[in-house]
Amino acid sequence: QKEVEQNSGPLSVPEGAIASLNCTYSDRGSQSFFWYRQYSGKSPELIMFIYSNGDKEDGRFTAQLNKASQYVSLLIRDSQPSDSATYLCAVWRGNEKLTFGTGTRLTIIP
Amino acid sequence: GAVVSQHPSWVICKSGTSVKIECRSLDFQATTMFWYRQFPKQSLMLMATSNEGSKATYEQGVEKDKFLINHASLTLSTLTVTSAHPEDSSFYICSAVDEAYEQYFGPGTRLTVT
Repeated sequence: QKEVEQNSGPLSVPEGAIASLNCTYSDRGSQSFFWYRQYSGKSPELIMFIYSNGDKEDGRFTAQLNKASQYVSLLIRDSQPSDSATYLCAVWRGNEKLTFGTGTRLTIIP
Repeated sequence: GAVVSQHPSWVICKSGTSVKIECRSLDFQATTMFWYRQFPKQSLMLMATSNEGSKATYEQGVEKDKFLINHASLTLSTLTVTSAHPEDSSFYICSAVDEAYEQYFGPGTRLTVT
């Protein structure tokens, strides 16, 4: 079992709809969870992080964490074509290293 | 947010030569920097953890004698790919951790070995 798993996609969502990205992790000791966006040929950029169970909202983005289910998700409301990118889920276990999932490729259809 | 730079942004070199990539944290001090490699359509693969003033910690399967890392100061880490071969062609990305333990990525360096 991979430490951090994501559906590779591609995930296609109509413009204006909600995009839902999912991530599961195997280590119950994981402490913080990050979502990065990566455009093709560019390095990742941090969208948001979450470390407490529940929802965390930042603009059009909402991160959801369920530690009991070892599940973290990212919702993007009012999807825009500029949201088309690969989204990387990363997990921090308190040892400074981040463990990345393989990423989900999201395409917003105009 | 914090800024991390990399130099060069892209480099083409001949097989057998060495290439040095610099990673700098521009507006904060980073005791820890990470080096990643990313092949096309694949996720980031952590190569090593670079700690200022000490030897780097390499991930399993990464040759420390081939990928030399030097964290000379709190704002600079370098990765030298020695005796590069075409299979070393990749996108190399560094990141730096600030005092709040947030990790910021550099823009990446695309290495092509011919």
